[in-house]
Amino acid sequence: SQQGEEDPQALSIQEGENATMNCSYKTSINNLQWYRQNSGRGLVHLILIRSNEREKHSGRLRVTLDTSKKSSSLLITASRAADTASYFCATDRRNAGNMLTFGGGTRLMVKP
Amino acid sequence: GAGVSQSPSNKVTEKGKDVELRCDPISGHTALYWYRQSLGQGLEFLIYFQGNSAPDKSGLPSDRFSAERTGGSVSTLTIQRTQQEDSAVYLCASSLFQGLTDTQYFGPGTRLTVL
Repeated sequence: SQQGEEDPQALSIQEGENATMNCSYKTSINNLQWYRQNSGRGLVHLILIRSNEREKHSGRLRVTLDTSKKSSSLLITASRAADTASYFCATDRRNAGNMLTFGGGTRLMVKP
Repeated sequence: GAGVSQSPSNKVTEKGKDVELRCDPISGHTALYWYRQSLGQGLEFLIYFQGNSAPDKSGLPSDRFSAERTGGSVSTLTIQRTQQEDSAVYLCASSLFQGLTDTQYFGPGTRLTVL
C-alpha cells in the first residue's frame, strides 16, 4: 500500500514560473526522498532530506519537511520545459528496513 | 560510472508463461531492491536484498513471484504462470546501504505486458 499522498495530481505551468508539489505520509520516517520520472521509466533521484532536517536546497530545488504534520513540499523555481515529468516522494519507514514507499506522484507540465 | 541496468527493456508474454527479468546493480552496491509500477497500484516495493542476509520478501504479491541474487551482484526476478494483472513496469534499484541515509538509484525498468 502507498504511504504517501501527493497533491496536486497534475500541475500545468508556464516556463519561468515556480512549481510546488506536496507530499503527506503516515508513519515515522528516517528520510524522505524526491524522485523524477520521465515517460514512465526509470526514476532519477533528486534530493534526500533526513527526518531531523527541515529544509534542503539543491540548485533550483527546495525541499521542506514538517515531521509534526508528516508532510513535505518540493519547490522547483524558474521552471523549464525540460522539468516536465512526474515527481514522486518516497519515504523509508523507521524500523522497517530501507525499502521505499512511494506517493502517487504529481504530473508536472511546463509549457514553453 | 555505469548505472543500474535492466534487461530486457520490454517483454511481451502470453498468460501462463514464465518470465525472468534481470537487474545489474551499480558495482559495489550491497543493497538491491525490486519495485513495480502499475496503473492501478502505483509504485510498490516487492523484495529487498542486503549483503548476505536473507531477503525481505514482504512485498511479493503472490508465490508466483520469486527473486534471487547471485554472488551479491546480479539479480533475477521470476514470475511464474504470468497473469494479465502482472503487466507493469518492473524497476530495480541499488544502494550502498549507508544505514539510515540510503539513496537508491534506479534502473530504466522492464515493461512487462501479459497478453
